[in-house]
Amino acid sequence: DTGVSQDPRHKITKRGQNVTFRCDPISEHNRLYWYRQTLGQGPEFLTYFQNEAQLEKSRLLSDRFSAERPKGSFSTLEIQRTEQGDSAMYLCASSLELPGKGGYTFGSGTRLTVV
Amino acid sequence: DAKTTQPPSMDCAEGRAANLPCNHSTISGNEYVYWYRQIHSQGPQYIIHGLKNNETNEMASLIITEDRKSSTLILPHATLRDTAVYYCIVRVAAATDSWGKLQFGAGTQVVVTP
Repeated sequence: DTGVSQDPRHKITKRGQNVTFRCDPISEHNRLYWYRQTLGQGPEFLTYFQNEAQLEKSRLLSDRFSAERPKGSFSTLEIQRTEQGDSAMYLCASSLELPGKGGYTFGSGTRLTVV
Repeated sequence: DAKTTQPPSMDCAEGRAANLPCNHSTISGNEYVYWYRQIHSQGPQYIIHGLKNNETNEMASLIITEDRKSSTLILPHATLRDTAVYYCIVRVAAATDSWGKLQFGAGTQVVVTP
């Protein structure tokens, strides 16, 4: 296992379009998290899953955002009707339910630019 | 989770020790101190964590004051590859705790120079 993979690495889209990002966590990790990071700021929590159940959502996750993890493995994050304010790095992380040392393992992120 | 205060930036000479301070004056007794770093264009990377005892691993050492209101991350021999943003985070780490909310601040931008 090579860690947490995110696809695509970069996405440029026009305002109003829908985009979908994918995250493949470490295979034995049953928790998966999405974060958003804007320039000069630390990552902000969006939502997380334990297996296929979405257990918590931040109020940052507006109605235009939806995340799924249908089989408890990979996850997708969709943004509908993108706005320029959605431009950011979207980070995925995974962990064991009892993480122990290390906690999260993050992917390298998907950088979204809305033009 | 308690909030942390870190200097926005610091420079360090290659080969020297880098000492990164963090204040967490409102930390609770069951909250751990975690350090992550983020190298440009990558996701955050775990460095170390501790509760009240000093900790050391292959990457760094963590010194926590006796009152636990502050801590220092020590990179013993900084290299150019240690240039990154370093985040100090405090949070509960009980076995059944939700790991959903690592609250990142703006961190400290560390630049290691030759």
